[in-house]
Amino acid sequence: RKEVEQDPGPFNVPEGATVAFNCTYSNSASQSFFWYRQDCRKEPKLLMSVYSSGNEDGRFTAQLNRASQYISLLIRDSKLSDSATYLCVVNSGGTSYGKLTFGQGTILTVHP
Amino acid sequence: GAGVSQSPSNKVTEKGKDVELRCDPISGHTALYWYRQSLGQGLEFLIYFQGNSAPDKSGLPSDRFSAERTGGSVSTLTIQRTQQEDSAVYLCASSPSLQTYGYTFGSGTRLTVV
Repeated sequence: RKEVEQDPGPFNVPEGATVAFNCTYSNSASQSFFWYRQDCRKEPKLLMSVYSSGNEDGRFTAQLNRASQYISLLIRDSKLSDSATYLCVVNSGGTSYGKLTFGQGTILTVHP
Repeated sequence: GAGVSQSPSNKVTEKGKDVELRCDPISGHTALYWYRQSLGQGLEFLIYFQGNSAPDKSGLPSDRFSAERTGGSVSTLTIQRTQQEDSAVYLCASSPSLQTYGYTFGSGTRLTVV
């Protein structure tokens, strides 16, 4: 089983739509969780951290369920510029403290 | 510097040759990480440095791969006797410390082994 699993998509949505991505992780010792965004042929960039209580940044809302080892990202009012690959990322914890494990990514395309 | 700098940006090499990839992290960042990303794949962890030491080398795919960091700054990833399966984008990232997970990535080195 992969350490971080995501639905690869692709998700094709019209502008203005709401879209949600899910992610599960296998290491119960993981302490920190993130969503990164990667544009085509570019490096990943931090989108937001994910906190236990859930957190929001503008149109983006992240949720964490530690009991189910599940993370989600909700994007409201999608823009064309949101088209990218979204990477679910967890730290491995334990002796690998400092190491982030990346999911395969979920591809999002927002069309006019 | 203002960001993480990697060089070269592109490298084409013949199978069996050695290559060196360089990463210059953000000034003052003590933690440095190497990942690679094959076409259409996710990021694969290779190694990380805290200062000049590498506590976790578990991700290095084989003994043909090695990395070092000197002066707590620049890091070099060396691949000996390159194979076609080594073709990938090699990404370097840095963060202020291990306790800070806001990695900043460089733009990567695209390695093609022919």
